[in-house]
Amino acid sequence: QQQVKQSPQSLIVQKGGISIINCAYENTAFDYFPWYQQFPGKGPALLIAIRPDVSEKKEGRFTISFNKSAKQFSLHIMDSQPGDSATYFCAALTGGFKTIFGAGTRLFVKA
Amino acid sequence: KAGVTQTPRYLIKTRGQQVTLSCSPISGHRSVSWYQQTPGQGLQFLFEYFSETQRNKGNFPGRFSGRQFSNSRSEMNVSTLELGDSALYLCASSLGDRSGGYTFGSGTRLTVV
Repeated sequence: QQQVKQSPQSLIVQKGGISIINCAYENTAFDYFPWYQQFPGKGPALLIAIRPDVSEKKEGRFTISFNKSAKQFSLHIMDSQPGDSATYFCAALTGGFKTIFGAGTRLFVKA
Repeated sequence: KAGVTQTPRYLIKTRGQQVTLSCSPISGHRSVSWYQQTPGQGLQFLFEYFSETQRNKGNFPGRFSGRQFSNSRSEMNVSTLELGDSALYLCASSLGDRSGGYTFGSGTRLTVV
């Protein structure tokens, strides 16, 4: 119930294409859904986040789509660039202030 | 605004030894969470401290412990090190309420030989 399932494990996208990463959860008590981006040798960095009262949030080329009834949310990276190549983690904040992370998706954008 | 500072960046220890890792959160942040990151297991939650009290705990053995000081700085201790403890240990700081996400440090890379 405390898990966040993330897919795919890895993703290869052409430059200019759309990258899509999906996550699913079971616990309806989760109320904050952030995405983190991690480059090699660095800690994860908060990219964008959404709360369940909103179905979509966009920041630049990054969009979160949230489907509360299906308990799923996804990250879309529009016009993907080689500099977007990184590992992406979805996450969810529990009622007890603990953040649970998905397993991560390694994105590679081909030039 | 200074970020989250973790020291040391790299550490090599021998099996059976103990180790202490340090984390200085962003000024004003009262919550510090610790995660273990390994290639096979992803980001595994260790524990969270808020205002010097452990508020959450993950499923790690008692060899893993932590504490938080009055200035919100936190330390994590691992005793009787095992080879499997080799990992990147990440500290994340936050306000500790429901207003936002974490700011992570760059981590401490621990290698147990």
